[in-house]
Amino acid sequence: GQNIDQPTEMTATEGAIVQINCTYQTSGFNGLFWYQQHAGEAPTFLSYNVLDGLEEKGRFSSFLSRSKGYSYLLLKELQMKDSASYLCAVEGNYQLIWGAGTKLIIKP
Amino acid sequence: DGGITQSPKYLFRKEGQNVTLSCEQNLNHDAMYWYRQDPGQGLRLIYYSQIVNDFQKGDIAEGYSVSREKKESFPLTVTSAQKNPTAFYLCASSIAEGLLRDSPLHFGNGTRLTVT
Repeated sequence: GQNIDQPTEMTATEGAIVQINCTYQTSGFNGLFWYQQHAGEAPTFLSYNVLDGLEEKGRFSSFLSRSKGYSYLLLKELQMKDSASYLCAVEGNYQLIWGAGTKLIIKP
Repeated sequence: DGGITQSPKYLFRKEGQNVTLSCEQNLNHDAMYWYRQDPGQGLRLIYYSQIVNDFQKGDIAEGYSVSREKKESFPLTVTSAQKNPTAFYLCASSIAEGLLRDSPLHFGNGTRLTVT
């Protein structure tokens, strides 16, 4: 079957760095997305990886290893507004498969 | 500014009633989607539409119906046949069907439906 695993919840301190992992098993792979979703709001697009390696975008970076079926989202210089859920999604054969999301709690 | 509007934000219905959730977009996107979000689960696709007057079932279409009479609008009806309708419903759009890497999904702010 197809499966995406993410930790359910993580806690980090303001100003620190946190890494949110995502492992996947899917039929077909065309890319991996990360979305941010604040409680009760729309998910918003953060990043997209199709090739192995690290993609950096400001305070956020996303890494992909296709051979390992693994990705992570790295958030640096954490701010209170980064408290949200982070959703990992893999595009398989013209289908998006979503992880359950990781709720990130930022403490002062 | 362009975007996707879902209304209402909160909706309450009695069991046995049909209810329609609104989704309107002014992004000029061809493809539109309805997802359901439940605690502890990933987003699940209910229906999607690639073009006006055409739509396809997703993974959990039973108990739901849609229409796509206009490019901008993709309403979702939750029927009394849906066994567990209480959930957070998200509408999304993208430029065109095809590889989503070329067109990330844009989401509305969702409608939280409670059926008692």
